Amino acid sequence: AQTVTQSQPEMSVQEAETVTLSCTYDTSESDYYLFWYKQPPSRQMILVIRQEAYKQQNATENRFSVNFQKAAKSFSLKISDSQLGDAAMYFCAYHLTGNQFYFGTGTSLTVIP
Amino acid sequence: NAGVTQTPKFQVLKTGQSMTLQCAQDMNHNSMYWYRQDPGMGLRLIYYSASEGTTDKGEVPNGYNVSRLNKREFSLRLESAAPSQTSVYFCASSLLTRGGQGYTFGSGTRLTVV
Repeated sequence: AQTVTQSQPEMSVQEAETVTLSCTYDTSESDYYLFWYKQPPSRQMILVIRQEAYKQQNATENRFSVNFQKAAKSFSLKISDSQLGDAAMYFCAYHLTGNQFYFGTGTSLTVIP
Repeated sequence: NAGVTQTPKFQVLKTGQSMTLQCAQDMNHNSMYWYRQDPGMGLRLIYYSASEGTTDKGEVPNGYNVSRLNKREFSLRLESAAPSQTSVYFCASSLLTRGGQGYTFGSGTRLTVV
């Protein structure tokens, strides 16, 4: 089975600063997808960003960007100019086409005003 | 708005009671999933349905049954609830095409078994 590891159960960042959340995964496949989901206190799971493994260019979505290191099987999320609304649980997920998603255990992000 | 609708949002059961969690999606997705979320354990797959008419076990299927009623609906049933099934349950759906569109999640059901 695939595994996804988030080694930081909790992180904090000052408002307007930058924070990086870590994620590593284990796979023998070469073509897959990686995702970051955000879960605020409302409990709703929200897709933040997606990366295709066959693309070398790192994905970006406004203040959110990833550092995808395929050889190292690492997929970190960088949040720039952190805002109070970024406070949430963040989940990293791995997906192989035609198969299920595998999730990490999550990182709880606190944004300090 | 298009999306995944889960009912109920909250439920308290007594040990041994049964209940069904309902899930419906209106995005014409072919695949649907049930996950449970527990503190420190992320989301774990209970059952999934890759397409209408098929269902398969996930990582933690014991104590649960599912029904893919049609393309839109995928229900999760607890026949005899146990305190270990206290959790937050999420339904999700996906196209599972090569585009890797990701899951669309329902808003979750917080279930407490006492």
